[in-house]
Amino acid sequence: IAGITQAPTSQILAAGRRMTLRCTQDMRHNAMYWYRQDLGLGLRLIHYSNTAGTTGKGEVPDGYSVSRANTDDFPLTLASAVPSQTSVYFCASSDSGGRTDTQYFGPGTRLTVL
Amino acid sequence: AQSVTQLGSHVSVSEGALVLLRCNYSSSVPPYLFWYVQYPNQGLQLLLKYTSAATLVKGINGFEAEFKKSETSFHLTKPSAHMSDAAEYFCAVFDTGRRALTFGSGTRLQVQP
Repeated sequence: IAGITQAPTSQILAAGRRMTLRCTQDMRHNAMYWYRQDLGLGLRLIHYSNTAGTTGKGEVPDGYSVSRANTDDFPLTLASAVPSQTSVYFCASSDSGGRTDTQYFGPGTRLTVL
Repeated sequence: AQSVTQLGSHVSVSEGALVLLRCNYSSSVPPYLFWYVQYPNQGLQLLLKYTSAATLVKGINGFEAEFKKSETSFHLTKPSAHMSDAAEYFCAVFDTGRRALTFGSGTRLQVQP
């Protein structure tokens, strides 16, 4: 089934450790996104990429980095995790990043930083 | 910048009753608005979207939303709630600067038998 896969499903991480969350889509979408979901705050955009080779900062980019080496993959890296990065992380993609495009979401990664 | 506000973090209705989830938007340009649903331990999926073609938008699972410019609203309704509608619902607006969605804080819908 076509869609977005995320790995790992969940992770417990010690503060100060480096962590990469993986995201892969097989829909050949140009645009990809990373959001974090926190209770009472909805989803907030961390980083986005409108096409392979380009990335941009979202609403809450500090402490996170991304790369977009090809169309399918969009990994999110926490260089040195802190407890405030405990959250559920969702990757999403859309066809062209256009204003009427539907965004398709992955199943999420639940990250706990201790 | 565009934003949305969802009124009511929790809404509880009886099975068969009307569902009304409120969303108001703020935008200096014509907005493109979306409703997404999230079932427990899952990602989000699109319910419906407003793209200026028609003010009354019909979505999946019997949901619809009406765009009202005079009220800056895009409320989500369903005439008769079903137990399977219990989920969290998010309103979102397309941010033309970042070319991404800006989400509201969500409304958790409970359906009582």
